[in-house]
Amino acid sequence: NAGVTQTPKFQVLKTGQSMTLQCAQDMNHEYMSWYRQDPGMGLRLIHYSVGAGITDQGEVPNGYNVSRSTTEDFPLRLLSAAPSQTSVYFCASSLTSGRLDTQYFGPGTRLTVL
Amino acid sequence: KNQVEQSPQSLIILEGKNCTLQCNYTVSPFSNLRWYKQDTGRGPVSLTIMTFSENTKSNGRYTATLDADTKQSSLHITASQLSDSASYICVVAAGGGADGLTFGKGTHLIIQP
Repeated sequence: NAGVTQTPKFQVLKTGQSMTLQCAQDMNHEYMSWYRQDPGMGLRLIHYSVGAGITDQGEVPNGYNVSRSTTEDFPLRLLSAAPSQTSVYFCASSLTSGRLDTQYFGPGTRLTVL
Repeated sequence: KNQVEQSPQSLIILEGKNCTLQCNYTVSPFSNLRWYKQDTGRGPVSLTIMTFSENTKSNGRYTATLDADTKQSSLHITASQLSDSASYICVVAAGGGADGLTFGKGTHLIIQP
């Protein structure tokens, strides 16, 4: 199993550009989520999905879109990049949304918006 | 507002020594508490998950404790190794609703030879 994979690993964008961060898992997990990690702050939830076709907003959803057309994939779209979106983005998955399920994180995407 | 506070912010110890990291939380309703290890440039990796009824849980040289009455947890690392250098993140899960996870800012641990 590859676990949770993310691409790209690094990305530089100009203000106003759009892009999609890819996330995939091969563990047949129902629950997937996107976080951002900024210096001096804990991870913050952007969007999450409890299964294919179902998504919902987290703590900081503005400027981001998600979709979940398959169990395996959960892409994160930046609609019009802003410098405030410079961050490290982590995708995570767990078997279900159950509170005791172990979360598995991807390696992260480091995004810089100029 | 749910909060998780970790201390110290950073810690430097010599290889082979023990150390203890602290986590205080105000999360309601409480479901479980997790400790993660995050190596530089990588995603967090789960070390332990503890429920309300569990006081202690071990994973190799890592031992987590939980006092649900005082809303405190600690992570004790025994006989530290260079590979223990990382950030350690305390995460508290609330019962019900959304993702329900509140992340601490982490303790940055450096093990020196």
